[in-house]
Amino acid sequence: AQSVTQPDIHITVSEGASLELRCNYSYGATPYLFWYVQSPGQGLQLLLKYFSGDTLVQGIKGFEAEFKRSQSSFNLRKPSVHWSDAAEYFCAVVGNTDKLIFGTGTRLQVFP
Amino acid sequence: ETGVTQTPRHLVMGMTNKKSLKCEQHLGHNAMYWYKQSAKKPLELMFVYSLEERVENNSVPSRFSPECPNSSHLFLHLHTLQPEDSALYLCASSQGGRRTDTQYFGPGTRLTVL
Repeated sequence: AQSVTQPDIHITVSEGASLELRCNYSYGATPYLFWYVQSPGQGLQLLLKYFSGDTLVQGIKGFEAEFKRSQSSFNLRKPSVHWSDAAEYFCAVVGNTDKLIFGTGTRLQVFP
Repeated sequence: ETGVTQTPRHLVMGMTNKKSLKCEQHLGHNAMYWYKQSAKKPLELMFVYSLEERVENNSVPSRFSPECPNSSHLFLHLHTLQPEDSALYLCASSQGGRRTDTQYFGPGTRLTVL
């Protein structure tokens, strides 16, 4: 069965610092991978997605993610974090069931 | 109004009450979804509707009853809920039900069952 692991429950960074949020998936074939962000009191917003092709994917708000098949990972990165990036981030995978399977999320806190 | 809207945003109900959650999408999509988001747990898919027909019921207890009268509206009828049903209920929609279709989420209804 497909699954997603986000090892970091909570991450704190200073504004302007770089960010990497980890995501590992379990799926035998090439998965479809997504990163969503949820701000307080809001629904989930799609940041980026990977289906095929270039393994480095650019998203909105300056985020990017890299698909690494050998590591079963799809880590999210941003070179310089802004205070408005404080939110919860969810990695998700769609496998052969066509269902979107989410990780438990990583809460990002940004200090000024 | 654009995107996916949900009402009410907050709901407190007793275990014997009957209430309904409403979701409306203004994106012209054909598929709609209900998810449950509980603290410290991944989002759980509850129901999927495609072209107003239920195509997925993810082993959800019968005290949750979905209704999709048309492709723009989705309801979740609630009755005799338990305190453990307290959660954020998210609605989403997508163009179709294909794995490559991006799901767009509403802001959710925060449900508290007393």
